[in-house]
Amino acid sequence: DTAVSQTPKYLVTQMGNDKSIKCEQNLGHDTMYWYKQDSKKFLKIMFSYNNKELIINETVPNRFSPKSPDKAHLNLHINSLELGDSAVYFCASSRTGELFFGEGSRLTVL
Amino acid sequence: QKEVEQNSGPLSVPEGAIASLNCTYSDRGSQSFFWYRQYSGKSPELIMSIYSNGDKEDGRFTAQLNKASQYVSLLIRDSQPSDSATYLCAVQKAAGNKLTFGGGTRVLVKP
Repeated sequence: DTAVSQTPKYLVTQMGNDKSIKCEQNLGHDTMYWYKQDSKKFLKIMFSYNNKELIINETVPNRFSPKSPDKAHLNLHINSLELGDSAVYFCASSRTGELFFGEGSRLTVL
Repeated sequence: QKEVEQNSGPLSVPEGAIASLNCTYSDRGSQSFFWYRQYSGKSPELIMSIYSNGDKEDGRFTAQLNKASQYVSLLIRDSQPSDSATYLCAVQKAAGNKLTFGGGTRVLVKP
């Protein structure tokens, strides 16, 4: 059983389109995150939810909207995609600070 | 100054040797420190966590923390080709706060 799973694994789309990534964890953790890893492999936090409540919102354009329907799920919707949004997006969950990552969703904006 | 800094590498080590990776951080209030390993095309996976000054050993890995110098390191003993990966240092200010990652050090272990 995969602990943190995210779908889809790959997205290829045109500029201006909207896309969503879904994440689910079965570890029973209260906190979930979205991280973005760019082409230089730098991993940067975007959002964090604790028990469905948004607790971290790093300076991310409001084209990015996270949603947590329950503490096991955290989705990411991106509007009006731009070239600079191309990256790998990782979902993660934690209880004590030790992060468990999903496999990543590679987004390519053409 | 970046919050968490690492030498990007690549750090090339012969098989069987010790690989030594360094990480410095800027926030003196940081309390928790982590090392993650990331293979190419894969997600980061936790190797070690360390919370107090000194050394912590787990198998072939040893993490070292010096809060006064704001420095954390990872030693990989008896390096194997399977250790070839990018190693990410992460720092947390307090429990429940975000983890801030360094840019990673790429390690190449040559047979």
